[in-house]
Amino acid sequence: QSALTQPPSASGSPGQSVTISCTGTSSDVGGYDSVSWYQQHPRKAPKLMIYEVTKRPSGVPDRFSGSKSGNTASLTVSGLQAEDEADYYCSSYAGSNNVIFGGGTKLTVL
Amino acid sequence: QLQLQESGPGLLKPSETLSLTCTVSGDSISSRDYYWGWVRQPPGKGLEWIGSIYYRGSTYYNPSRKNRVTISVDTSKNQFYLRLTSATAADTAVYYCARHPLLRHFDVWGQGTLVTVSP
Repeated sequence: QSALTQPPSASGSPGQSVTISCTGTSSDVGGYDSVSWYQQHPRKAPKLMIYEVTKRPSGVPDRFSGSKSGNTASLTVSGLQAEDEADYYCSSYAGSNNVIFGGGTKLTVL
Repeated sequence: QLQLQESGPGLLKPSETLSLTCTVSGDSISSRDYYWGWVRQPPGKGLEWIGSIYYRGSTYYNPSRKNRVTISVDTSKNQFYLRLTSATAADTAVYYCARHPLLRHFDVWGQGTLVTVSP
């Protein structure tokens, strides 16, 4: 199995919007509505930000949104804030009780 | 409030067996629809799912790791476990335990524990 493909880095200025992509195949991202996104600050555990492509857990700001088109999922952060600077990982169910992650994207708030 | 806490040796020698415990508090590990998983992160690298278990004992492993991995559960202690045999330096990582609803996403994470494999 191959990891999902994410850009290594992304950036934006405070108040702007930034979108991070996550590309897989029809066997994972494209085949199931089970894409999730995680935020990880340095030396901290990952935090679930989006699940089932578009759903936000309680407490996650609505500035974070998810979407999917074909084999590519996206995380959009609107109204960027300094505290959004972190690593972001996507994950997808890949069938046969298997789960895969993306390689991660470092988001920099300029 | 659900909390997960990893514990176990932080230093291993090559070829030894890595053994970690995840203690769940604030909810029963026997809750329906919840699986319990292990995820690791080598220093400076990304996340990798190792495997997950249902409270009744059904296990699911990353195909690339299943030959060396065993995950088990003790519902009476509200704990689940990771065992990784024949450790090498490539197994050096922060190991996280997490709740894994329906094997679809990880919604509650432990703080992680660093395991170093070194001679």
